Amino acid sequence: AQSVTQPDIHITVSEGASLELRCNYSYGATPYLFWYVQSPGQGLQLLLKYFSGDTLVQGIKGFEAEFKRSQSSFNLRKPSVHWSDAAEYFCAVGSQGGTSYGKLTFGQGTILTVHP
Amino acid sequence: ETGVTQSPTHLIKTRGQQVTLRCSSQSGHNTVSWYQQALGQGPQFIFQYYREEENGRGNFPPRFSGLQFPNYSSELNVNALELDDSALYLCASSPRAGANNEQFFGPGTRLTVL
Repeated sequence: AQSVTQPDIHITVSEGASLELRCNYSYGATPYLFWYVQSPGQGLQLLLKYFSGDTLVQGIKGFEAEFKRSQSSFNLRKPSVHWSDAAEYFCAVGSQGGTSYGKLTFGQGTILTVHP
Repeated sequence: ETGVTQSPTHLIKTRGQQVTLRCSSQSGHNTVSWYQQALGQGPQFIFQYYREEENGRGNFPPRFSGLQFPNYSSELNVNALELDDSALYLCASSPRAGANNEQFFGPGTRLTVL
């Protein structure tokens, strides 16, 4: 069964500092991978996605992520964090078939706090 | 372009009752997925509807059921509510079925079961 692990429940960074949020996945084939962000009281917004090709993907709001098959990882990075980036971040893997077709499996999430 | 909308925003029910949550998909989208997000957890997939048919289901009991209408809006019905059903219920629409299509999420319905 597919699964996603986000090892860091809560991360605190200073504004302007770099950021890396970790994500490890378990999936039998080449995965469809996603990063979503959720602000309080809001739904989920897609930051970026990986299906195939270039393993470094660019997303919105200056975020990028790198797919590393050998490490089963898809870590999210940002070179300089802004106070408005404070939110909860979710990594997800998409199911490509079977009875759970279309299913996204999410990690537990990482809460990002940004200090001024 | 109107995004995904959900109603109601908040809902309070008691154990054993039944509840219906509603979702309007984004224009041009024919696929709707429902997720349950318990406090402090990531969303859990309930099911997906494509062109009015359920085409994928997660590990939820049959008392969780759904419908999709010809205009692609959707309902989630939960019977015999339990305390553990308290959660944020998220609806997501996408232009086609399958996990390789971006799912656009609504703001959710917060259900509290007392």
